[in-house]
Amino acid sequence: EAGVTQSPTHLIKTRGQQATLRCSPISGHTSVYWYQQALGLGLQFLLWYDEGEERNRGNFPPRFSGRQFPNYSSELNVNALELEDSALYLCASSLRGVSYEQYFGPGTRLTVT
Amino acid sequence: GDSVTQMEGPVTLSEEAFLTINCTYTATGYPSLFWYVQYPGEGLQLLLKATKADDKGSNKGFEATYRKETTSFHLEKGSVQVSDSAVYFCALRTNSGNTPLVFGKGTRLSVIA
Repeated sequence: EAGVTQSPTHLIKTRGQQATLRCSPISGHTSVYWYQQALGLGLQFLLWYDEGEERNRGNFPPRFSGRQFPNYSSELNVNALELEDSALYLCASSLRGVSYEQYFGPGTRLTVT
Repeated sequence: GDSVTQMEGPVTLSEEAFLTINCTYTATGYPSLFWYVQYPGEGLQLLLKATKADDKGSNKGFEATYRKETTSFHLEKGSVQVSDSAVYFCALRTNSGNTPLVFGKGTRLSVIA
């Protein structure tokens, strides 16, 4: 069974540009979570989608947004990139709801110059 | 708000040494507690978990006991191997509403032969 996949592996952008990161969950999983892993800050929760709807978001500005498609894959968009957005962005999926175990993808490394 | 505090790294040990990584938490109610491991270049993997006080989670020789009285969930292993070199994250999930995982900042472990 395929695990959670993310693309691209690496992404380099300049300040002010927009970045789009993609995630495909494990087959049968309807919940997708996005986390930011910035150096020295651990993992911080960004967004949670389930059944196509945003269920919860962390303490991040509105320029961080996303969506979930009918096939449950998800996209994270970061607008007006800032240098401090440089981080590893991890996607996780689970069966519906936070009470189920989350399975993580390998992440997308975003570098903003 | 909910939070997790784990010991600062990096931790460097010789093979077969005893490992302890401290983790304490602050949460309302009775959270579930987790240890995740991140090997180089990979996403997070669930290592072990405990869902109620006095529960002991164990996997691959690692153990952690949910201590409600000290709000702790310390990770231990009796004899580490070089292959245990990774970053370890303590996390919690409250059992209410739609709150996802809250992570500590991670502890990097290096085991030398």
